[in-house]
Amino acid sequence: KQEVTQIPAALSVPEGENLVLNCSFTDSAIYNLQWFRQDPGKGLTSLLLIQSSQREQTSGRLNASLDKSSGRSTLYIAASQPGDSATYLCAVEETSGSRLTFGEGTQLTVNP
Amino acid sequence: EAQVTQNPRYLITVTGKKLTVTCSQNMNHEYMSWYRQDPGLGLRQIYYSMNVEVTDKGDVPEGYKVSRKEKRNFPLILESPSPNQTSLYFCASSIDRGLEAFFGQGTRLTVV
Repeated sequence: KQEVTQIPAALSVPEGENLVLNCSFTDSAIYNLQWFRQDPGKGLTSLLLIQSSQREQTSGRLNASLDKSSGRSTLYIAASQPGDSATYLCAVEETSGSRLTFGEGTQLTVNP
Repeated sequence: EAQVTQNPRYLITVTGKKLTVTCSQNMNHEYMSWYRQDPGLGLRQIYYSMNVEVTDKGDVPEGYKVSRKEKRNFPLILESPSPNQTSLYFCASSIDRGLEAFFGQGTRLTVV
């Protein structure tokens, strides 16, 4: 059964820092990996989607990488801002079924 | 505006009283799914639907029913709610599996 782990569970940084969030998964037979952002009281917003054949995706200050063979993904946030404060979730979609398996998330706080 | 709309946003009910949480999307998406989010357990898939009249169980389907009579709507039905179904529920849709998922704002359900 696929398991997704995110480290760290919480992270607090000063504004302007570059930071890396980690995601690992146990079964490398994935269809894709998505990074989401969740704000309190709100739904999830998809940030980046990496297909299994891709190594990375970029959107603005965000860069996500995927190493399928080692079961790892990272989300790099450049020049962090207080507005980046949220919980970041990674999720994998498996080739064997139509479900997203989520990690428990990293709660990020960017302090002004 | 492209969106997934859930109703109600908040609901307190009593054990055994049937309820329905509605989900509607205006993006003509084929794929829809329901998740519940619980502290320490993350997001887990309840049911999903690949198209009209096609539904399948996710990881935690017990105690839930769904239907997909029209492409835009995917209601979640709790025939006899119990306190262990107290949770935050999310509906999601995508144009197809493997592509970006759009989430609703969530429904916080409390069963007493």
